Amino acid sequence: KAGVTQTPRYLIKTRGQQVTLSCSPISGHRSVSWYQQTPGQGLQFLFEYFSETQRNKGNFPGRFSGRQFSNSRSEMNVSTLELGDSALYLCASSLRQGSGTEAFFGQGTRLTVV
Amino acid sequence: AQRVTQPEKLLSVFKGAPVELKCNYSYSGSPELFWYVQYSRQRLQLLLRHISRESIKGFTADLNKGETSFHLKKPFAQEEDSAMYYCALSGRGQAGTALIFGKGTTLSVSS
Repeated sequence: KAGVTQTPRYLIKTRGQQVTLSCSPISGHRSVSWYQQTPGQGLQFLFEYFSETQRNKGNFPGRFSGRQFSNSRSEMNVSTLELGDSALYLCASSLRQGSGTEAFFGQGTRLTVV
Repeated sequence: AQRVTQPEKLLSVFKGAPVELKCNYSYSGSPELFWYVQYSRQRLQLLLRHISRESIKGFTADLNKGETSFHLKKPFAQEEDSAMYYCALSGRGQAGTALIFGKGTTLSVSS
């Protein structure tokens, strides 16, 4: 079956702009999580959605937001982009919620803010 | 504070040598521990989790609650083991699947 699909793969944006990233989970998976990966901070949890509701949120400013649709697809939005937002953004889907559930990762979207 | 520490950024070994990738954690409750791996040009994927007590690709990891460690071991390294390895935890019983990752260790196996 198809894996987690993230679009676009690469993005270049200017400081102050906003951006929307998309994630299509594995068919049947209802939980979608987002992570930011940078060389300095590593992989950091952004937020998690399950059944269209945000269930968990990491320690990121309100400029970072997301949503999940009824088909479990998810989008994350970053407004008023800063240079420090340049990162690889990873989406992961899981069959269900709960600790111990395996997360399946997408290839990521590489965002560069100039 | 919840934290996962992988003290080595890079571990270089020869083929056939034993491998131990270190992982220490700090968590106030009961954690679920995982090892994720990323091979070159592939996506991040689960290698093993402590609750399964499995051996995957010859790798094992034992949760030591006294030392708050979850080191990944393999008795004889292979070149195809070269990859980036991440230790991660989530809180047992937590509602979500949010993972706290260490910063990763690059394993390089040469012949």
